[in-house]
Amino acid sequence: NAGVTQTPKFQVLKTGQSMTLQCAQDMNHEYMSWYRQDPGMGLRLIHYSVGAGITDQGEVPNGYNVSRSTTEDFPLRLLSAAPSQTSVYFCASSRAPSGEETQYFGPGTRLLVL
Amino acid sequence: DAKTTQPTSMDCAEGRAANLPCNHSTISGNEYVYWYRQIHSQGPQYIIHGLKNNETNEMASLIITEDRKSSTLILPHATLRDTAVYYCIVRVARSSASKIIFGSGTRLSIRP
Repeated sequence: NAGVTQTPKFQVLKTGQSMTLQCAQDMNHEYMSWYRQDPGMGLRLIHYSVGAGITDQGEVPNGYNVSRSTTEDFPLRLLSAAPSQTSVYFCASSRAPSGEETQYFGPGTRLLVL
Repeated sequence: DAKTTQPTSMDCAEGRAANLPCNHSTISGNEYVYWYRQIHSQGPQYIIHGLKNNETNEMASLIITEDRKSSTLILPHATLRDTAVYYCIVRVARSSASKIIFGSGTRLSIRP
């Protein structure tokens, strides 16, 4: 298993540009989520999904959209990038959303918005 | 989900046991205690979790107090590779979405 994969690893955007961060998992996990991590801080939940076709907002959803058309993929879209969205983005998955399930994290995407 | 409180930083000598405390005084009966760590620039890594009994695996031990209001993660023989930020998290075990809410964690430094 490749686990949780994220692309790209690095990205530089100009203010106002849009882009999609890709996340995929090959473990047939139902639950997937996106986090951002700013320098020196913990992770903050952006959006999550408990299964294909179902998404919901986390702590900091503004400026981001998600969709979950398949179990494997959970892309994160930045509609109009802003410098405040400069961060490291992590995708995670787990077998089920319940608390006893372990979450597995991807390697992260480092995004710089100029 | 209950909130957790951890010291901002700790250090430990290589080869000694590292004991990382966590307070979760508002934890409820159906919440699990999870520990993750994040080595510089990498994604968080699962370490261990428990509900009310002490747990041990190949990486660490988790000691939960009887009232469940605090816990301690123990790395029995710390190495330089254990230098990381350690996050203590509580999560509700239910069928609907159970979000992981990360705090600031404890920055553990292992000195040679």
